[in-house]
Amino acid sequence: AQSVTQLDSHVSVSEGTPVLLRCNYSSSYSPSLFWYVQHPNKGLQLLLKYTSAATLVKGINGFEAEFKKSETSFHLTKPSAHMSDAAEYFCVVSDRGYSTLTFGKGTMLLVSP
Amino acid sequence: GAGVSQSPSNKVTEKGKDVELRCDPISGHTALYWYRQSLGQGLEFLIYFQGNSAPDKSGLPSDRFSAERTGGSVSTLTIQRTQQEDSAVYLCASSLESRGRFYGYTFGSGTRLTVV
Repeated sequence: AQSVTQLDSHVSVSEGTPVLLRCNYSSSYSPSLFWYVQHPNKGLQLLLKYTSAATLVKGINGFEAEFKKSETSFHLTKPSAHMSDAAEYFCVVSDRGYSTLTFGKGTMLLVSP
Repeated sequence: GAGVSQSPSNKVTEKGKDVELRCDPISGHTALYWYRQSLGQGLEFLIYFQGNSAPDKSGLPSDRFSAERTGGSVSTLTIQRTQQEDSAVYLCASSLESRGRFYGYTFGSGTRLTVV
């Protein structure tokens, strides 16, 4: 069975400061891990994915995530937040590589000027 | 098409009526998924198609929900005798799976269903 826990339901940062969105997972197999972003009234957009290649994954818009097997974590980071980053972020795990995705509950990122 | 297309984008229906939601996946994507996003519930998996068959329909919440896919392409999710708790955004995603490799999902913009 697979599960994913996003540790914060809301994260507030100031523009220009670093972003850290935390995610822990459990999986019976070697997992594939993803971060998706959803802007208000928009669809889900893939930010980045880890599929057993390099453990540090770079995504779009300056985001990156590091897969740490020993900590079962896949935290999302960005060095400097932008107002346009304000959205809801979902950490997602798939342990069968091609089938059902399990979504975290989401973390709402709020960016203040 | 260039992306996953869902229609309608918004649907308001009266309690007890049936509704059909449509998903057009990316051309050539063999796998298609339906998810539901409810306020405070996150995203729930509903059903997965590989070609026209559905090897995993474990997420359908009741027998009022059904889905089919024809020609390995378009899928329709049908909800019969809608209830207010069915109000949610229904998301469709497709993916290309070839020789055991997974290339990631592309989601549609969803259908916002409101049952009044």
